[in-house]
Amino acid sequence: DTAVSQTPKYLVTQMGNDKSIKCEQNLGHDTMYWYKQDSKKFLKIMFSYNNKELIINETVPNRFSPKSPDKAHLNLHINSLELGDSAVYFCASSSQSYNSPLHFGNGTRLTVT
Amino acid sequence: GENVEQHPSTLSVQEGDSAVIKCTYSDSASNYFPWYKQELGKRPQLIIDIRSNVGEKKDQRIAVTLNKTAKHFSLHITETQPEDSAVYFCAASREKLTFGTGTRLTIIP
Repeated sequence: DTAVSQTPKYLVTQMGNDKSIKCEQNLGHDTMYWYKQDSKKFLKIMFSYNNKELIINETVPNRFSPKSPDKAHLNLHINSLELGDSAVYFCASSSQSYNSPLHFGNGTRLTVT
Repeated sequence: GENVEQHPSTLSVQEGDSAVIKCTYSDSASNYFPWYKQELGKRPQLIIDIRSNVGEKKDQRIAVTLNKTAKHFSLHITETQPEDSAVYFCAASREKLTFGTGTRLTIIP
């Protein structure tokens, strides 16, 4: 019954590999996000989609590519992983594209070795 | 773009005392100010939010105040309990939510 679910929970991989993180929400929300939380706990937005359309694309390396097949899903694919990509990645959703509460998933801890 | 500063970065409070966390924002057009609580190893969760047409909002032991003129807002937790120990994030939004840098609150039994 989890409202925002993301998989996998943990991801350990080597530099140079390509990996994907999947996210699904069953809240009927129109907007979904990817946030990155680094080791200092800073939460930074990476991408936002509203009804499958990209509306926010922060200064993120183009090795990161989001894909939204429908408004309930937002996946994140990362190419050529680097050590600095190690972080916790949170998917989130909200009912509106801004000024409404975010519902976060449980996070994916990515470790690049 | 919006810049949100949050203080203090760490805060230790005796159980039963009050805790106050303060944030300032730069964009005077921001109109939504939520607060999130993140327990160790867990996801951030909304605990309270306030919109720019309101100066104060309270929910049991938690209250938030907003001063639009000074562009700052604060979280107040009264009668603190051990389960209040967590990292707290403020945020400000006009079209995009910008988070503060977080406050690690420790409640001392």
